[in-house]
Amino acid sequence: DTAVSQTPKYLVTQMGNDKSIKCEQNLGHDTMYWYKQDSKKFLKIMFSYNNKELIINETVPNRFSPKSPDKAHLNLHINSLELGDSAVYFCASSKQGAETQYFGPGTRLLVL
Amino acid sequence: GENVEQHPSTLSVQEGDSAVIKCTYSDSASNYFPWYKQELGKRPQLIIDIRSNVGEKKDQRIAVTLNKTAKHFSLHITETQPEDSAVYFCPGNTPLVFGKGTRLSVIA
Repeated sequence: DTAVSQTPKYLVTQMGNDKSIKCEQNLGHDTMYWYKQDSKKFLKIMFSYNNKELIINETVPNRFSPKSPDKAHLNLHINSLELGDSAVYFCASSKQGAETQYFGPGTRLLVL
Repeated sequence: GENVEQHPSTLSVQEGDSAVIKCTYSDSASNYFPWYKQELGKRPQLIIDIRSNVGEKKDQRIAVTLNKTAKHFSLHITETQPEDSAVYFCPGNTPLVFGKGTRLSVIA
């Protein structure tokens, strides 16, 4: 009965590879988000979708592409991984924009 | 977008003392003010929030106060315990901006 789930939990990969992280929420929320948290704990929004439509797209390299097949899922695909992409990526969801956000457990990405 | 500033960036208190973290916002139309807590290695979780029609809200040892005139809201933790040690975030309204947060250390 996990509210917001992400897979995988850990991801170790080589520079230049392409990888995806999946996120699913069973809360019936309309809005989903991807955040990146660096080693200094700075938590920065990357993307936000509302009912499968992109509403926030912060300054993120176009190697990052979110995809929302339906409003319960928001996946993140990363092309040509770089060392600086190493971070914890959190997915979150909320009923509407300015409401309580429920976070997934995070995906710890390490690029070697 | 809204600018939110959070102070201090780090805070150390003795167990049993109180801790106060303050956030200043820029958008006077903001109407929702949440506080999130992130323990080491875990996900951020909402601990308390307040709407702009209320000045203060309390939940056991934690409280949030809102000063709409000065455009700031604060998190108050009384009788701090080691398990209060975490990073606390006050994201802005829309789009939500979490930033660096405040690292609170409660020393036993």
